Amino acid sequence: GQNIDQPTEMTATEGAIVQINCTYQTSGFNGLFWYQQHAGEAPTFLSYNVLDGLEEKGRFSSFLSRSKGYSYLLLKELQMKDSASYLCAVMDSNYQLIWGAGTKLIIKP
Amino acid sequence: GAVVSQHPSRVICKSGTSVKIECRSLDFQATTMFWYRQFPKKSLMLMATSNEGSKATYEQGVEKDKFLINHASLTLSTLTVTSAHPEDSSFYICSAKLAEGVPQETQYFGPGTRLLVL
Repeated sequence: GQNIDQPTEMTATEGAIVQINCTYQTSGFNGLFWYQQHAGEAPTFLSYNVLDGLEEKGRFSSFLSRSKGYSYLLLKELQMKDSASYLCAVMDSNYQLIWGAGTKLIIKP
Repeated sequence: GAVVSQHPSRVICKSGTSVKIECRSLDFQATTMFWYRQFPKKSLMLMATSNEGSKATYEQGVEKDKFLINHASLTLSTLTVTSAHPEDSSFYICSAKLAEGVPQETQYFGPGTRLLVL
């Protein structure tokens, strides 16, 4: 079966750095997405990786290793507004998005 | 760019009535739109894929006669929850895929509609 694993919850301190991991097992691979979702709101697109390596976009970076079925989202200089759920999603060979359950990130002052 | 709107944002209805939710892509044409529902503290669950001008493709376990989807134009898809019951209460989110763009498979989400059936 297809599976996306990410931690249920993480806590970090304002100003610090946090890494949210995602491992996947899917039938085929056409890219991995990270979305941010604040409570009660819809997800917003953060990043897309289809090749191995690190993609940097401001305070957020996303890494992919296709051979390991592994990705992480790195958030630097954490701000209180970064408190949200972070969803990892993989596009399989049929271009269907397989969603992880999300990681709830709690930022403490 | 890539803004998706949904209307209404919240709706409360009586059991047995029907509710229509609209999803619009405001600044781009979306040949494909997706409808999701999300229960509290759970991930998104894809209900159906909607292609402009053709019938929607429903995921296994989703009743197509209960959740009617119409994708009448390149900027509008509607989801109608027919004969709503309390168990249909949920957060319904639509997304649209850019017809062109990088990456092409990115989905842009509407703000969601919170449905409460009494």
